[in-house]
Amino acid sequence: QKEVEQNSGPLSVPEGAIASLNCTYSDRVSQSFFWYRQYSGKSPELIMSIYSNGDKEDGRFTAQLNKASQYVSLLIRDSQPSDSATYLCAVKADSWGKLQFGAGTQVVVTP
Amino acid sequence: GAGVSQSPSNKVTEKGKDVELRCDPISGHTALYWYRQSLGQGLEFLIYFQGNSAPDKSGLPSDRFSAERTGGSVSTLTIQRTQQEDSAVYLCASSPTRNSYEQYFGPGTRLTVT
Repeated sequence: QKEVEQNSGPLSVPEGAIASLNCTYSDRVSQSFFWYRQYSGKSPELIMSIYSNGDKEDGRFTAQLNKASQYVSLLIRDSQPSDSATYLCAVKADSWGKLQFGAGTQVVVTP
Repeated sequence: GAGVSQSPSNKVTEKGKDVELRCDPISGHTALYWYRQSLGQGLEFLIYFQGNSAPDKSGLPSDRFSAERTGGSVSTLTIQRTQQEDSAVYLCASSPTRNSYEQYFGPGTRLTVT
């Protein structure tokens, strides 16, 4: 079983709609959770971090965390073609900060 | 301010040659991480530095891989006797402190072993 799991996609989303991405993790002691966006041929870019149960909003992005269910999600509202990318879920598994990544979900926003 | 920089951006080498990849972290960041991303794969942790010391090297795939960091800043990842399976994008990230939660990635070095 992978430690951080994501649906690989592609997730096809009409422009203006909400994209919903899911991530589950296996290590119950994980404390910090991140979403990175990676455009093709580019390096990952941090877009959201969340540390407490509940929702965290930043612009069109909302991260949701449920530690009891070991589940973290990312919502992208009013999706734009520029949101087309692979979204990586990352979990901080150790106190010194090594990140464990899921394989990523490819999002395609169609005009 | 300046982000994480890596050089070279691309490296093509012949099987069996040694290569050195360089990472210059964000100024003042004490923690530095190396990851690699193979084609179609997720990011794989390689090694972590806090200052000049490497508390965990467990992600290095073989003893052909080594890394050092000098002056608490620049880090070099060395791959000896390269193999075709070493072909990947090698990514460096830095973080302000060991316990800082957020890591910021450089642009990566694409290594191709022919």
